[in-house]
Amino acid sequence: GENVEQHPSTLSVQEGDSAVIKCTYSDSASNYFPWYKQELGKGSQLIIDIRSNVGEKKDQRIAVTLNKTAKHFSLHITETQPEDSAVYFCAALVQTGANNLFFGTGTRLTVIP
Amino acid sequence: DSGVTQTPKHLITATGQRVTLRCSPRSGDLSVYWYQQSLDQGLQFLIQYYNGEERAKGNILERFSAQQFPDLHSELNLSSLELGDSALYFCASSVGGEEPQHFGDGTRLSIL
Repeated sequence: GENVEQHPSTLSVQEGDSAVIKCTYSDSASNYFPWYKQELGKGSQLIIDIRSNVGEKKDQRIAVTLNKTAKHFSLHITETQPEDSAVYFCAALVQTGANNLFFGTGTRLTVIP
Repeated sequence: DSGVTQTPKHLITATGQRVTLRCSPRSGDLSVYWYQQSLDQGLQFLIQYYNGEERAKGNILERFSAQQFPDLHSELNLSSLELGDSALYFCASSVGGEEPQHFGDGTRLSIL
């Protein structure tokens, strides 16, 4: 099955700096890659996603890049703010009927004011 | 607010007991997914239902079962509970399978 690895497990940045979280996946058939933000006591909120026919996608301060050849994808957050502090999960999905997500183990991002 | 509702938010019970977690998907969503998140772990897929039928199974224990009802809400039943079953249980829903999954706020299950 699919195996998703995520790094780093913790990340601290100064407010205004950029943060980058990286994930790799093992199944070349994976074709959908969402990123979720999980705040304390809340469920996971989808913040951005990318499909395998696209190399990069941007939404305001958040961007995701995908390298299908290398089987890795990354989340980039620019101009970080304290409210960006949360746990971020990457995931991969193989759309072959069973559309379950395989998640990374999460990155705890702390933005220091 | 994702539109996915999970109840209860917290559940405390003892080993050997049985509990039922409930999930109401977003309006219009036909697929429901259940995930387990243990301490400091990512989310692990348990099971998926689509329009009342089981679509996929992940690492779901035999002591666990789920179903999706005609009104599309779903229940996850956990029986013969063990200490290791303490975790956050999340439900997600999507329109079908290709569309993004939207998560509820989870049920925190604590086994004493």
